[in-house]
Amino acid sequence: EIVLTQSPATLSLSPGERATLSCRASQSVRSNLAWYQQKPGQAPRLLIYDASNRATGIPARFSGSGSGTDFTLTISSLEPEDFAVYYCQQRKEWPPLTFGGGTRVEI
Amino acid sequence: EVQLLESGGGLIQPGGSLRLSCAASGLTVSDNYMSWVRQAPGKGLEWVSIVYTGGATYYASSVKGRFTISGDNSKNTLFLQMNSLRAEDTAVYYCASAYCSGGTCYPTYFHHWGQGTLVTVSS
Repeated sequence: EIVLTQSPATLSLSPGERATLSCRASQSVRSNLAWYQQKPGQAPRLLIYDASNRATGIPARFSGSGSGTDFTLTISSLEPEDFAVYYCQQRKEWPPLTFGGGTRVEI
Repeated sequence: EVQLLESGGGLIQPGGSLRLSCAASGLTVSDNYMSWVRQAPGKGLEWVSIVYTGGATYYASSVKGRFTISGDNSKNTLFLQMNSLRAEDTAVYYCASAYCSGGTCYPTYFHHWGQGTLVTVSS
C-alpha cells in the first residue's frame, strides 16, 4: 500500500500570504496524484489532478507541482475562503486508493 | 448540474447490516465510475469501494467480503450494502463520481460528491 505523508499538519497564515503544502509518497506515484480541499461540514472538492492540472472551475491561485514521491500544493495568495483542510490522494497503485492525513490551513 | 444525495445511515449494532443509497441527478450512474469514500469522526478520508462502468468492482481490504457496491439503473442510484459492521466502520460515507474533462474520464479521481450520510456502529 502506498502511504502518503503530508506536512505540515497545520499551517498558520494570514490572508494574502502564500501557502506551500507538501505530500510525500512512500514509493513513486509518477504524476498520479490529486489534491482536495475540505471545509468543515462539507464534502471534499477536487482541486488538482495528475499532480499539476487544475480541475474545472478551480481558481488560478491554486497550483500543483512534483512527480515521483514529492509533491507540492501552492496557494499563491490566500483568500478567506481558502482556510480549510487539504488532502492529497494517489491512484498509481491500487487498490487501495490512498489519501494523505491532511494539512489544516488556519488563520 | 450534478447532484448526489446519500441516505440510509444511522445507528446500528456491531454485527448488523445497513444499505446506503446515493441517488444521482445530472449524471447516469451506470455510465460513470462511482465510488464510496468514508471519513471517521475527526479523521481523514478513506477510500472504500469503486464500481466501473463495465461492472468491475474493487474494495479496500478493510471492507472486502463485508461490503458490496452496486447500482440500480432504473433508479439511477448507487448502493453500498454493508454487512458484519464493526465499530471501526463508524464514519460519514460519501458517494463520489469520477472526474471527466475534455472527453477523458479519470475513474479514480473524485469530482462530484454527495453531502454524506453518517453510520454509527455501537451497542
